[in-house]
Formats: sequence, structure tokens, C-alpha cells
Amino acid sequence: EAQVTQNPRYLITVTGKKLTVTCSQNMNHEYMSWYRQDPGLGLRQIYYSMNVEVTDKGDVPEGYKVSRKEKRNFPLILESPSPNQTSLYFCASSPGTAKGNEQFFGPGTRLTVL
Amino acid sequence: GNSVTQMEGPVTLSEEAFLTINCTYTATGYPSLFWYVQYPGEGLQLLLKATKADDKGSNKGFEATYRKETTSFHLEKGSVQVSDSAVYFCALSVGGSGNTPLVFGKGTRLSVIA
Repeated sequence: EAQVTQNPRYLITVTGKKLTVTCSQNMNHEYMSWYRQDPGLGLRQIYYSMNVEVTDKGDVPEGYKVSRKEKRNFPLILESPSPNQTSLYFCASSPGTAKGNEQFFGPGTRLTVL
Repeated sequence: GNSVTQMEGPVTLSEEAFLTINCTYTATGYPSLFWYVQYPGEGLQLLLKATKADDKGSNKGFEATYRKETTSFHLEKGSVQVSDSAVYFCALSVGGSGNTPLVFGKGTRLSVIA
């Protein structure tokens, strides 16, 4: 089944404790992206990747890192989480950058930083 | 810049009622337009899309028409069901050779009661 998977689905952590949220897709997509969803703000892009070893900042990249060592994986790293990073996070992938391309979303990771 | 404005929710309807969720956009160039749906506890799924002016996207009884003259992409359904209860997001993508994030509206929560 074609899908985007994320782990963990839920995470409660404390300020400053490094964490990684994994994202994997099995559709051989080149383009991958991370979004955060906050009430009243919709979804905002954090980072994106056009292909292996090609990553760049989205609209709200502060406090996050990513890597793209393999085509299928695109982990999101929070080196020193803070409470303002409490949010619902979605990974998405797409075959490419043509404007009509659908983006496929993972199930989401709900992160709480105390 | 690119932006999407959709009607604030929540929207509460009785089963079999007619649904309209308004969406207007601002974009450089000629975007593709999407409606995504998020069921409780799940990620976003593509509901329908349109890639050029006057196109009508349709799926599961929902439809939306790309209106360039009014920069709108309103979502409609003639008879909603309880199972349609979800959050609906209007989004656009301008595509191209660079980053092509989806630009989302803030979402509209729909509750359908029996």
C-alpha cells in the first residue's frame, strides 16, 4: 500500500531533550516536506527536500533540522525542543514539483513539550 | 504573496443539508487548487483538485469549480452525511522548478448531526 508513515504518533517530552520524528514514504517520491498544524493558523511548512541531500527552509524553520540521506526517509530533528514547538506535525511527499501534483500526508505526530 | 482564505467554522449541519464552504485565493501566476479533508485523528487526504480555470473537481459527492474571475474555489455537496464530519482545508500550489509547498487556508470544521 502506498503510504507515508511517521513515528511516533504521540510524544510528550521536556524542554531541551533532543528528539527525532521519523518519516518514510514508499512511493519513490522526490519531494518531501514537513508541516506543523496549529489551531487558527492552518498548516505551515517547516522544511522541504527536493531530492536526496537537497533540503531547504520553509516558512517556519527555526528550532528544527532535517536530513535526506535516502530518498524514502526525511526525519525531523528538534535539537532542543521548547514549549512553543508543541504542535501537530505532518510529513508529506509528492512525485515532483509540478503544480498539479498531489501531496500525500502521513498520519501526523502530536508533540507536547513541557 | 500566495494566500488562501476560507470561511471560519465551525459549521454544523443536519444530515441531508446542502453544504457550501467558501474559499478564495491570492496567487502569482496560475495555481492549482485543492480541497483536503482531515478526519478525526488522521492525516490530510486529497478530496478533489482543479488545475486550470473552469475545471470542476469532484469526488464522493463533493465538487468545486475553479473560478479565475472571482479567484474562488468553493466546496459544495448537495446532501451531507454524518460521515462527512471532518476538517476541510482549501489549498493552492503554484508549482514550478523550486519549492512547491501547499499554501493552506486555516481549515473549516464541519459537524453533521443525524
